Amino acid sequence: EVRLAQSGAEVKQPGSTVKLSCSTSGYVFTDFYLYWVRQAPGEGLEWVGLIDPENGESFTAERFRGRVIITADTSADTAYMELSGLTFEDSARYFCALIAGVRGTWGQGTQVTVSS
Amino acid sequence: EIVLTQSPLSLAVTPGESASISCRSSQSLLHTNGYTYLDWYLQKPGKSPQLLIYLVSSRASGVPDRFSGSGSGTDFTLKIDRVQADDVGVYYCMQPMQSPPFGQGTRLEI
Repeated sequence: EVRLAQSGAEVKQPGSTVKLSCSTSGYVFTDFYLYWVRQAPGEGLEWVGLIDPENGESFTAERFRGRVIITADTSADTAYMELSGLTFEDSARYFCALIAGVRGTWGQGTQVTVSS
Repeated sequence: EIVLTQSPLSLAVTPGESASISCRSSQSLLHTNGYTYLDWYLQKPGKSPQLLIYLVSSRASGVPDRFSGSGSGTDFTLKIDRVQADDVGVYYCMQPMQSPPFGQGTRLEI
């Protein structure tokens, strides 16, 4: 069974950096891209970026470029997303997701709250 | 980039009736390997999205046969027969070929 387990909730101050993790199991980590998606309260899904764990190459949505770093640790089958320069508008639930046909699975999400 | 456009954006259905959601892609989702990579997910209130349909028309494990997917190339449809109260949520079509990977979502209300 494919599982994506995400790190716990974070409360951060404006201007700071948050690093989220996504621990995977049940499939070959390097076989599929892993996506990061966020969802503000009452809003739809917003794509943040993705990583190809096989080679470590990442792609970030234009609005997040320069603020997001996505990495993968193949020894731990875990992906990370670091978001810097936090503003109140970054308060949202952040998901990691495997969008891969029959294996399609999403993590439970990590709530990030930006508060002064 | 591939743009997925869903319609309608919201849908109100009486229990027992049918519902259809359209997803149009700006490019063909037919891969050179012969597979068409279009999936459907449902995000129930307060939950993570869950897989309903993969590769256009294959139901994920545990998904009732009231849910069916069809289409090819750039035009796809999710049909829900005999809608139940538990079907409420936001439905997304998704594809892994290029980013962004999903449409705007369609909200189903009873």
